[in-house]
Amino acid sequence: NAGVMQNPRHLVRRRGQEARLRCSPMKGHSHVYWYRQLPEEGLKFMVYLQKENIIDESGMPKERFSAEFPKEGPSILRIQQVVRGDSAAYFCASSLQGFDYGYTFGSGTRLTVV
Amino acid sequence: KNEVEQSPQNLTAQEGEFITINCSYSVGISALHWLQQHPGGGIVSLFMLSSGKKKHGRLIATINIQEKHSSLHITASHPRDSAVYICASSGGGADGLTFGKGTHLIIQP
Repeated sequence: NAGVMQNPRHLVRRRGQEARLRCSPMKGHSHVYWYRQLPEEGLKFMVYLQKENIIDESGMPKERFSAEFPKEGPSILRIQQVVRGDSAAYFCASSLQGFDYGYTFGSGTRLTVV
Repeated sequence: KNEVEQSPQNLTAQEGEFITINCSYSVGISALHWLQQHPGGGIVSLFMLSSGKKKHGRLIATINIQEKHSSLHITASHPRDSAVYICASSGGGADGLTFGKGTHLIIQP
């Protein structure tokens, strides 16, 4: 069991480009959470998804950000028209039934916007 | 809305010292979590507590539900313990975890 796989580990984008971050949950986990860690700040919740459904996207910026977790394949966090302020580490976590029942974090994707 | 506060923000200690990191939260929660993050690294779950005390090796975590307070202790600290330690809560009306800002711990040889 490879755990939660995030790729790429590092991503460099120029301002205005699109960034796609992928998260493959642990086998059997159907709950996926995305978090953002800005430099020198704590982790902030972005979005909670289950297969084919967005359960809670209250932490997502209203524009340019979207997330999906299709029936097949990884969860994708998509950032359109990136700006320098999007530079951060993006982590995903997966769980079987929610955080009270065990969870695993991925190693994160470090996004740098130049 | 739950808020999670940690202290201290930064802590430097000598090898062998007993370390305590504190965490408080503002509303009732279902569980309190302690996590560890090494520089540039991923996030590892250390403990999940809903009551009492848990011990794993040199690490001990306690929680006082009435006072809405938890502590993480490290006994006989070692330079390899140097990391960011993060307190987080689950439940409390939020999906996922609500995080504190983390404690940057440096253990000097």
